[in-house]
Amino acid sequence: KAGVTQTPRYLIKTRGQQVTLSCSPISGHRSVSWYQQTPGQGLQFLFEYFSETQRNKGNFPGRFSGRQFSNSRSEMNVSTLELGDSALYLCASSPTVGGNHGYTFGSGTRLTVV
Amino acid sequence: KQEVTQIPAALSVPEGENLVLNCSFTDSAIYNLQWFRQDPGKGLTSLLLIQSSQREQTSGRLNASLDKSSGRSTLYIAASQPGDSATYLCALRMIKAAGNKLTFGGGTRVLVKP
Repeated sequence: KAGVTQTPRYLIKTRGQQVTLSCSPISGHRSVSWYQQTPGQGLQFLFEYFSETQRNKGNFPGRFSGRQFSNSRSEMNVSTLELGDSALYLCASSPTVGGNHGYTFGSGTRLTVV
Repeated sequence: KQEVTQIPAALSVPEGENLVLNCSFTDSAIYNLQWFRQDPGKGLTSLLLIQSSQREQTSGRLNASLDKSSGRSTLYIAASQPGDSATYLCALRMIKAAGNKLTFGGGTRVLVKP
């Protein structure tokens, strides 16, 4: 059974550019969440999608956005990149919203902004 | 606001010693608590998921306990091995939080010396 797949694994971008990250959840999972991990702030929640709808959003500026497709795959986009956006971006999938399910995380995308 | 604390932030033990990792939280209104392992630069690997109604979960050399009344969870790793060296994170899913958002502790970085 395939796990959560994140692409690409590594990215280097220049300040001011935009970037799109992709996440394919475990087959049959319909909930996808995104987290940002930095040494200083730890793991911070970005947003969550279920059935193509954003269900929950963390405290991040509007430059961070996302979407979910009908096959549950999700993308997140960061526009006008800043140096502080350099981080490991993690995607997690869960069968549904609510209930007592745990999370399965992907390997992450390492974004470096120069 | 839920606060999740993991003390100590770092721990070094000789091979064979048992590991005891702590996770404290201020709000006991949780659905479940999940322990993860993270290797440097990698994603999160789920170790154990404890539901709110459970007191403990076991998997091989790992045992996690949950005491909601005192706001504590403990992860025990028996007979540690160098391969157990990693950062261990606890995460809670709060009843008051919308959707599947997880609240993470800061992690405990473990080094098992041969």
